Amino acid sequence: NAGVMQNPRHLVRRRGQEARLRCSPMKGHSHVYWYRQLPEEGLKFMVYLQKENIIDESGMPKERFSAEFPKEGPSILRIQQVVRGDSAAYFCASSPQGARDYGYTFGSGTRLTVV
Amino acid sequence: AQTVTQSQPEMSVQEAETVTLSCTYDTSESDYYLFWYKQPPSRQMILVIRQEAYKQQNATENRFSVNFQKAAKSFSLKISDSQLGDAAMYFCAYRANTNAGKSTFGDGTTLTVKP
Repeated sequence: NAGVMQNPRHLVRRRGQEARLRCSPMKGHSHVYWYRQLPEEGLKFMVYLQKENIIDESGMPKERFSAEFPKEGPSILRIQQVVRGDSAAYFCASSPQGARDYGYTFGSGTRLTVV
Repeated sequence: AQTVTQSQPEMSVQEAETVTLSCTYDTSESDYYLFWYKQPPSRQMILVIRQEAYKQQNATENRFSVNFQKAAKSFSLKISDSQLGDAAMYFCAYRANTNAGKSTFGDGTTLTVKP
């Protein structure tokens, strides 16, 4: 079991381009969470998904950001028309269904740099 | 809204000694979970220890233990016999039992271990 896999590890985009970040949860985990970490700050919640469902997207900016977790394949965090302020580390975490006391298993993150 | 505060941006400890990292939180919930995560320079987020709010007994994991004061809404992390590998950023996190998804993180404490 390789744990939570995120790719790419590093992503450079020019302003106005699209960024696609991928996350494959740990085997047996059906809950996926995306967090953003700005430099020198803690993790800020973005979105919580289960297979084919967005459960909580209260932390997601209303524009340019979207997330999905299809029935097959990884979860995707998509950022359209990136701006410099989107530069950050984006972390994906997963947990088993129903395990409210379960601490997250995190991926290694994707560091997005917008130039 | 729940908030998590880590009042010590930086801490240092001599190798083999003990250090305590502070965390306070604010919530109106009575049933929740608290976590400490470690983020070494590799950026991988690693769960260190978890505490259920309904348990009075403080959680312990080897050299790591917590001092959970529910009335004071305080959740400090004690690292005993500090090792060079403990050097990292440490994040305190909160999750309400009513919300299996979103966790709220503090801004972190950078721990330096001096040989």
